[in-house]
Amino acid sequence: EAEVAQSPRYKITEKSQAVAFWCDPISGHATLYWYRQILGQGPELLVQFQDESVVDDSQLPKDRFSAERLKGVDSTLKIQPAELGDSAMYLCASSRTFGTGELFFGEGSRLTVL
Amino acid sequence: GENVEQHPSTLSVQEGDSAVIKCTYSDSASNYFPWYKQELGKRPQLIIDIRSNVGEKKDQRIAVTLNKTAKHFSLHITETQPEDSAVYFCAASLRGADGLTFGKGTHLIIQP
Repeated sequence: EAEVAQSPRYKITEKSQAVAFWCDPISGHATLYWYRQILGQGPELLVQFQDESVVDDSQLPKDRFSAERLKGVDSTLKIQPAELGDSAMYLCASSRTFGTGELFFGEGSRLTVL
Repeated sequence: GENVEQHPSTLSVQEGDSAVIKCTYSDSASNYFPWYKQELGKRPQLIIDIRSNVGEKKDQRIAVTLNKTAKHFSLHITETQPEDSAVYFCAASLRGADGLTFGKGTHLIIQP
């Protein structure tokens, strides 16, 4: 069964450092999402791509976060500089296309900022 | 924007009993309401969803009900089993998987 791949699974960094997370969606899925999940809370959407275009980045802290999906396939989420409050699980998800029902999540990248 | 409230935050039931988790949403235009299950250390997975043109949907031991007038929806799990232990998230959106707003989750504990 095809799955969304993410790396790294775990990342520990010091504040003010740069971090990057990678996501490879299920083959053929046009829509890709990055969510942030703080411990004890539900996932919060950061950015959504349709192919290589950003559809929604209204909740992305653009002063320090950036995301790209250059060829409309895999995607990178970057944080620079990292802050203590960025410690969370970063989940990537994909769906077949815009507006369809099911999100398929990756296993996530857990970030700890010291 | 949409706001989804979920209750309770923790629910403990005896194995074999039923469990009910409730969510309310704020945007009357929302029309898609999925439920995701997240086991410890694993990815969230869709277990059931409902659209606003349907009042109830069942899949074996799980069911979801929707009351659009009151803007609330509920997850019902019957004959609970140990493998039902997990965190359950409700969500709501205007356009399927796009722009989903999640609740804070319910930690369901099945006691033997």
